[in-house]
Amino acid sequence: NAGVTQTPKFQVLKTGQSMTLQCAQDMNHNSMYWYRQDPGMGLRLIYYSASEGTTDKGEVPNGYNVSRLNKREFSLRLESAAPSQTSVYFCASIKKRGSGRAGGETQYFGPGTRLLVL
Amino acid sequence: AQKITQTQPGMFVQEKEAVTLDCTYDTSDPSYGLFWYKQPSSGEMIFLIYQGSYDQQNATEGRYSLNFQKARKSANLVISASQLGDSAMYFCAMREGSSGGYQKVTFGIGTKLQVIP
Repeated sequence: NAGVTQTPKFQVLKTGQSMTLQCAQDMNHNSMYWYRQDPGMGLRLIYYSASEGTTDKGEVPNGYNVSRLNKREFSLRLESAAPSQTSVYFCASIKKRGSGRAGGETQYFGPGTRLLVL
Repeated sequence: AQKITQTQPGMFVQEKEAVTLDCTYDTSDPSYGLFWYKQPSSGEMIFLIYQGSYDQQNATEGRYSLNFQKARKSANLVISASQLGDSAMYFCAMREGSSGGYQKVTFGIGTKLQVIP
């Protein structure tokens, strides 16, 4: 198993350019998340997907779109990049253990994508 | 009020000793999850442990345990038998809302742990 993979690892964009960050997991997990991490801070949730075909906004969705076309892949798109989107982006997938209120979970993170917008 | 508070910007611990990293949280949602993550200097994010708000027992994962005190709204991480490889930034986080519906995830600012040989 490769776990969670992210591409690219590094990217430099000019303001106004667009790009898609790819994330894939081979663990058959339903839930997947996109986070961003700015210097000296914890993660902030951009979008999440509870299952194939569904997506919902997190705390900081503005300027981003996502797509969950199948169970494996959850992509994040920047339509018109801005310097404020310079950050490290992490994708994660969630393995639920048990069900209902008694269920636990384990999270698996990709290696991250470092994005610089000039 | 801060949703997640980590009051220790930095901590030192002697190798093989136990260490507690503090985390308090604030929510009015009856259903929430608490998480701890480790981020080494290499930048990767590693999930350590999860505690659900309805869990009766403290979560444990190997050398990691979560001291969950619901009434005090505290979720401290205890690392037993510290190793040099435990040196890293540690983040506490909370997810509010139920799975499949609205979810809000809030991270603390982190605690930098250094293990001394």
